[in-house]
Amino acid sequence: DQQVKQNSPSLSVQEGRISILNCDYTNSMFDYFLWYKKYPAEGPTFLISISSIKDKNEDGRFTVFLNKSAKHLSLHIVPSQPGDSAVYFCAASRLYSGGSNYKLTFGKGTLLTVNP
Amino acid sequence: NAGVTQTPKFRVLKTGQSMTLLCAQDMNHEYMYWYRQDPGMGLRLIHYSVGEGTTAKGEVPDGYNVSRLKKQNFLLGLESAAPSQTSVYFCASSVAYGYTFGSGTRLTVV
Repeated sequence: DQQVKQNSPSLSVQEGRISILNCDYTNSMFDYFLWYKKYPAEGPTFLISISSIKDKNEDGRFTVFLNKSAKHLSLHIVPSQPGDSAVYFCAASRLYSGGSNYKLTFGKGTLLTVNP
Repeated sequence: NAGVTQTPKFRVLKTGQSMTLLCAQDMNHEYMYWYRQDPGMGLRLIHYSVGEGTTAKGEVPDGYNVSRLKKQNFLLGLESAAPSQTSVYFCASSVAYGYTFGSGTRLTVV
């Protein structure tokens, strides 16, 4: 039973345009969400997060939107750059419900390719 | 500043052999985790630790054992390797949700 779903295995965009990566979750107990970025032959690195008390969080070119009623979040990258080409993982946890020990449930990832 | 170091980086095992993957962090993090990444499966939690001397099962613990005798080290053991354990293994450490991951160990079981 996959609790965090990234239904698009890959996405290709032109440099300078917007990249939108989507993530859905099924566990209503999840209340904290993160995006990680992974380059080949490297470990994932933390990118941005959002808690369920917000519906938007922005950090430079990266913005994450959360729609709790739809159990959906998205990562927007504007403008996209070739260096953004990587696998992006959505992750979720139970921060406010306690006992999570900061464990994360990851989605399968989306490979973003930004073409020059 | 090494962060999280995983050794070895690559390994080929024969079915039934045993091995230990070592994860070392120099950030004084309490929490440590072992994940495996398989094509089309994302990252799945094997075992984790909330502090020195503690371990707990994650999502896919079968076939693995772990130990955290020292705060900075988290060992993942395979007692009798199986082809289904062919994967890329990532260790991570954290104080909260901003995990620091190692660069991974690519394990092939033939």
